[in-house]
Amino acid sequence: DAKTTQPPSMDCAEGRAANLPCNHSTISGNEYVYWYRQIHSQGPQYIIHGLKNNETNEMASLIITEDRKSSTLILPHATLRDTAVYYCIVRGWSNAGNMLTFGGGTRLMVKP
Amino acid sequence: GAGVSQTPSNKVTEKGKYVELRCDPISGHTALYWYRQSLGQGPEFLIYFQGTGAADDSGLPNDRFFAVRPEGSVSTLKIQRTERGDSAVYLCASSPGLTKLNEQFFGPGTRLTVL
Repeated sequence: DAKTTQPPSMDCAEGRAANLPCNHSTISGNEYVYWYRQIHSQGPQYIIHGLKNNETNEMASLIITEDRKSSTLILPHATLRDTAVYYCIVRGWSNAGNMLTFGGGTRLMVKP
Repeated sequence: GAGVSQTPSNKVTEKGKYVELRCDPISGHTALYWYRQSLGQGPEFLIYFQGTGAADDSGLPNDRFFAVRPEGSVSTLKIQRTERGDSAVYLCASSPGLTKLNEQFFGPGTRLTVL
């Protein structure tokens, strides 16, 4: 699976949009971009995933660049409960199993 | 419905002892994963079950670590002769089936401390 690069930390004001970037320049054509987050003392939680089209669900939006080398997770109206570590994961279609390969993630701090 | 549960939530043991960590996946989920998370780092894959069999155990660090899932539901991670470096949060996740893009649902983890 391709490697991802994320900033180690970000701050966001409560009520504002949080835009979390991720670089995955070595992504291949059949690899998806996944986002998970981990709130303190909890297990990771799935947020969203996409291949090449932008995706939106009740939690967030995922914007993937046309060349697929980077993406941005958008939390449209961040709340204090969105404070967490956000992991961007590139996951291939492989017969070797579909484990998740986590990097260091971005620690998002939402401030009042 | 009930999520993934893990017991115990905390385990303190002494160096050299044997420990067992239990994972109850979401009912009906055929895939089960174990990960380990050290302080300040992302989770690291240990082993993956599809049904009763270990489909991939390439993440197990050495032969002191072993996991079973005898009936295709509950899984137990077993660590022999524990070392201080085994201290970490052990996370279990399950997913519905063979579709490789299925999201994984994580439990709260077991915090293992080896003194």
